[in-house]
Amino acid sequence: ETGVTQTPRHLVMGMTNKKSLKCEQHLGHNAMYWYKQSAKKPLELMFVYNFKEQTENNSVPSRFSPECPNSSHLFLHLHTLQPEDSALYLCASSQEGGAGANVLTFGAGSRLTVL
Amino acid sequence: GENVEQHPSTLSVQEGDSAVIKCTYSDSASNYFPWYKQELGKGPQLIIDIRSNVGEKKDQRIAVTLNKTAKHFSLHITETQPEDSAVYFCAAKISNFGNEKLTFGTGTRLTIIP
Repeated sequence: ETGVTQTPRHLVMGMTNKKSLKCEQHLGHNAMYWYKQSAKKPLELMFVYNFKEQTENNSVPSRFSPECPNSSHLFLHLHTLQPEDSALYLCASSQEGGAGANVLTFGAGSRLTVL
Repeated sequence: GENVEQHPSTLSVQEGDSAVIKCTYSDSASNYFPWYKQELGKGPQLIIDIRSNVGEKKDQRIAVTLNKTAKHFSLHITETQPEDSAVYFCAAKISNFGNEKLTFGTGTRLTIIP
């Protein structure tokens, strides 16, 4: 385990369902991220939170809704998704400020399949 | 914005041989270049990084080289072992100890043949 825990590891949902992905980090980091990983594409940054405040929304469709209640927890709420949203969703954290600012620690990901 | 290209997309090498993965970047202001390794069923993990004020960095069997003029950097793995089999991602960003966006390459699937 890297210190970043993601649940569920696998999720299958229909286009009309509502589900949530959860991420928890035990590293004392102050920044958390959602990335989308699709085959043969670069990792796509979706959202960034610093000290619980959203600092980046990388033009993500509104059917993805992030929530960061505290510096240790991050959620991604999903509703009315499309089949092309099927991917591995990775959560990451980092300690912003100082020498560790650039190092991302990733979770194992949540494999999402939209039917 | 920054664009990172990574080659090759797949690479197979005999155990014990060396492997080289190459990346180019577009933004000359980028000054931080990490490499991540992703094993099956896991998230990417940082294995080595380099800043633009140095040309080469080594850590045991892995090394990274940076050519700022040509805007390319490479990962070198020597004496490859089966556990080196994974997908490797390069990345680049402008780093001022903030949360500037990290741009990733498309990944290289490295297979070590026993």
